[in-house]
Amino acid sequence: SYELTQPPSVSVSPGQTAGVTCSGDKLGDKYVCWYQQKPGQSPILVIYQDTKRPSGIPERFSGSNSGNTATLTISGTQAMDEADYYCQAWDSSTVVFGGGTKLTVL
Amino acid sequence: QVHLQESGPGLVEPSETLSLTCAVSGDFISSGFYWGWIRQSPGKGLEWIGSIYHSGSSNYNPSLRSRVAISTDTSKNQVSLNLYSVTAADTAVYYCARQVVVVNTGVLDWFDPWGQGTVVTVSS
Repeated sequence: SYELTQPPSVSVSPGQTAGVTCSGDKLGDKYVCWYQQKPGQSPILVIYQDTKRPSGIPERFSGSNSGNTATLTISGTQAMDEADYYCQAWDSSTVVFGGGTKLTVL
Repeated sequence: QVHLQESGPGLVEPSETLSLTCAVSGDFISSGFYWGWIRQSPGKGLEWIGSIYHSGSSNYNPSLRSRVAISTDTSKNQVSLNLYSVTAADTAVYYCARQVVVVNTGVLDWFDPWGQGTVVTVSS
């Protein structure tokens, strides 16, 4: 079965750029989306189809996908961005989620 | 604005059937989207359970396929989940969400929006 691998944790200082990676075989050939989940809340979509940002999502959130790795980038990270982030893709008629990355802003 | 609300028993006994309903408002389940169920065990990540189109076309997580049934009720604008023969490992927050299907490809893409989730505990 297809797997998406994310680092368990990423740390960033306020105002700096954070990158969360998601790796999978030939992932660049698939669409990837990203969700943000804060404690006790439902996930919200922050990036879809690799690079697109839903309305209401701040411009500091961006995405890329090439080769075997997709990346969620948060520029000028704010304390409010501290959350768990999950990538998702579709493979062989199956939705696959990455294991999630806890982003700490400190 | 689309709103999804999950409901169902918060406690299910082992070996019984977990039955949940997702009530959709602000959109019709026959509108051209898929509707999915996702769960999250305590302290764990997201796990896709399955997704369904109003026509009945569905896709399931291979690891759960033998125990899962998802259905739609267009008259009530609801999506339902049945998970059979549950064990403690099925204890989780269960979410329903609207899912985009990429035109002419059959690719099921992003989930948006999500319901608030409902906590289900499997215990005697």
